[in-house]
Amino acid sequence: GAGVSQSPSNKVTEKGKDVELRCDPISGHTALYWYRQSLGQGLEFLIYFQGNSAPDKSGLPSDRFSAERTGGSVSTLTIQRTQQEDSAVYLCASSWGQGSYNEQFFGPGTRLTVL
Amino acid sequence: DQQVKQNSPSLSVQEGRISILNCDYTNSMFDYFLWYKKYPAEGPTFLISISSIKDKNEDGRFTVFLNKSAKHLSLHIVPSQPGDSAVYFCAATGANNLFFGTGTRLTVIP
Repeated sequence: GAGVSQSPSNKVTEKGKDVELRCDPISGHTALYWYRQSLGQGLEFLIYFQGNSAPDKSGLPSDRFSAERTGGSVSTLTIQRTQQEDSAVYLCASSWGQGSYNEQFFGPGTRLTVL
Repeated sequence: DQQVKQNSPSLSVQEGRISILNCDYTNSMFDYFLWYKKYPAEGPTFLISISSIKDKNEDGRFTVFLNKSAKHLSLHIVPSQPGDSAVYFCAATGANNLFFGTGTRLTVIP
């Protein structure tokens, strides 16, 4: 497809379980971002990948959160031992080039519900 | 601490009138500002941006104004159309990260 895709679109899990969220960026985009939007909050930056450089993990809220980007393309966000406060919409975005001055193209998001 | 703030969670405007969405920021290092529009069940889409070296940028019905001394920007939509009904996010950056506001839900009443 032409846009950023994310899977699953919805995920319901029990507290304490691990979850993996997937993002397929637009082909050729070197930058990839993960954000989350909690109820009543703005989009909160989580992590940024740029090419083969070490990712900027400064937004990850705890060590239960991690992300990988394999081959400079697909990314997986993993949340271990999920908590109810992790419930949010997790959005992935990609862009050409480095830095957030370039337009970011967002996927539709994954709605995570932790019971 | 929220570095980008949208203090109005919602706004209703009659079709054909002007919509004005406001945004304030606290970090003087921000040098690029963007507006994104979001429909339900979709990701945000880029709408318009402005560099800190400008105070106005216009694109069709959409104009963004930047007041650096007040650390304030606004998005004007004129004339407003029912299809403009969405959540609008203000965002700012000075490096790698985008900082988003909490959004304003615009409803354009036919």
